Amino acid sequence: GENVEQHPSTLSVQEGDSAVIKCTYSDSASNYFPWYKQELGKRPQLIIDIRSNVGEKKDQRIAVTLNKTAKHFSLHITETQPEDSAVYFCAASRVGGSNYKLTFGKGTLLTVNP
Amino acid sequence: EAGVTQSPTHLIKTRGQQATLRCSPISGHTSVYWYQQALGLGLQFLLWYDEGEERNRGNFPPRFSGRQFPNYSSELNVNALELEDSALYLCASSPSGDEQFFGPGTRLTVL
Repeated sequence: GENVEQHPSTLSVQEGDSAVIKCTYSDSASNYFPWYKQELGKRPQLIIDIRSNVGEKKDQRIAVTLNKTAKHFSLHITETQPEDSAVYFCAASRVGGSNYKLTFGKGTLLTVNP
Repeated sequence: EAGVTQSPTHLIKTRGQQATLRCSPISGHTSVYWYQQALGLGLQFLLWYDEGEERNRGNFPPRFSGRQFPNYSSELNVNALELEDSALYLCASSPSGDEQFFGPGTRLTVL
């Protein structure tokens, strides 16, 4: 089955700096890669996703890149703000298959220091 | 548009008892997914229901089961509770099989 590794497990940055979180996946058939943000005591929120036919996607200060050959994808947050502090999860899945499921990484605790 | 809802918010049980958790998906979403979020272990996939049928299950013992009703709401049942079942149980719904939207979760504590 799919296995997703996520690094680093914790990341501390100064406000205004950039943050990068990296994930690798094992199943070359995976074709959908979402990122979720979970604030303390709250539900995971989908912040951006990318499909395997695209190499990069941006949404304001957030971007995701995908390297299918190397089987890794990354989340980039620019101009970080204190409200970006949360746990971020990457995930991978094979959409369209009969055994579809999201496999999550173990999460990255991002702390943005004012 | 109302989001995914779950009940109860908190549930306290003792070892050996049964727990029932409920989820209502976003209107129009036919797929419901259940995840277990235990401390330090991320989100572990439990079950996927679509159109009333169980489509896939994760690596959990058979005492974790569930069902989906005709209105697409879902129930997760955990029998013979063990201490390590203590976790946040999250439900998610999806309109099309890719984007998943999560509910607030049910915090299950097994004493």
